[in-house]
Amino acid sequence: SQTIHQWPATLVQPVGSPLSLECTVEGTSNPNLYWYRQAAGRGLQLLFYSVGIGQISSEVPQNLSASRPQDRQFILSSKKLLLSDSGFYLCAWTNSRVYLAKNIQYFGAGTRLSVL
Amino acid sequence: QKEVEQDPGPLSVPEGAIVSLNCTYSNSAFQYFMWYRQYSRKGPELLMYTYSSGNKEDGRFTAQVDKSSKYISLFIRDSQPSDSATYLCAMSEVSQGGSEKLVFGKGMKLTVNP
Repeated sequence: SQTIHQWPATLVQPVGSPLSLECTVEGTSNPNLYWYRQAAGRGLQLLFYSVGIGQISSEVPQNLSASRPQDRQFILSSKKLLLSDSGFYLCAWTNSRVYLAKNIQYFGAGTRLSVL
Repeated sequence: QKEVEQDPGPLSVPEGAIVSLNCTYSNSAFQYFMWYRQYSRKGPELLMYTYSSGNKEDGRFTAQVDKSSKYISLFIRDSQPSDSATYLCAMSEVSQGGSEKLVFGKGMKLTVNP
């Protein structure tokens, strides 16, 4: 069966510090991968998605970047965190090779980031 | 007008009540409709998935899609305290290629009181 791992679960970082959040998927190959941010009252905001190694699409201009160095690894980064980067970050994947299932996204447990 | 509208609540009901959660949407190209359940401080988990219109039942949960009205619903029968969570609707178009993206509602926080 497929599983998605996301870490760390909680992170407290000072303003101006770098960030690296990692997400890995097991039990599937060539997944589509997504990074979301969830803020209270604002729902899920899609930040980045990737359909393959090195292929990243950005949805929202911001202080963050994403990379996909391996097929089942997705990394969210920042060089200098801002207060506004605080939030709940979620990684998700879909099965890119099953037509009707491609729209079903499966989420990780999330990382709660507090920038102080 | 936002693509997907969902009343954020919160909604509080007694145990055993029938709960109705709803979303409306504006994009007539949406074909996939999903409901996710998210417990506090956890990631969303898929609850129900419907392709095109109609009803789908799974235990105490029923998902309903009315494409003519651009309206989807999730019904929970005999609600339990363990159903207390935030429920998010999500939907997407049929894509010919590339990444399939979901459009989410903001989520409705439900509390079922014992």
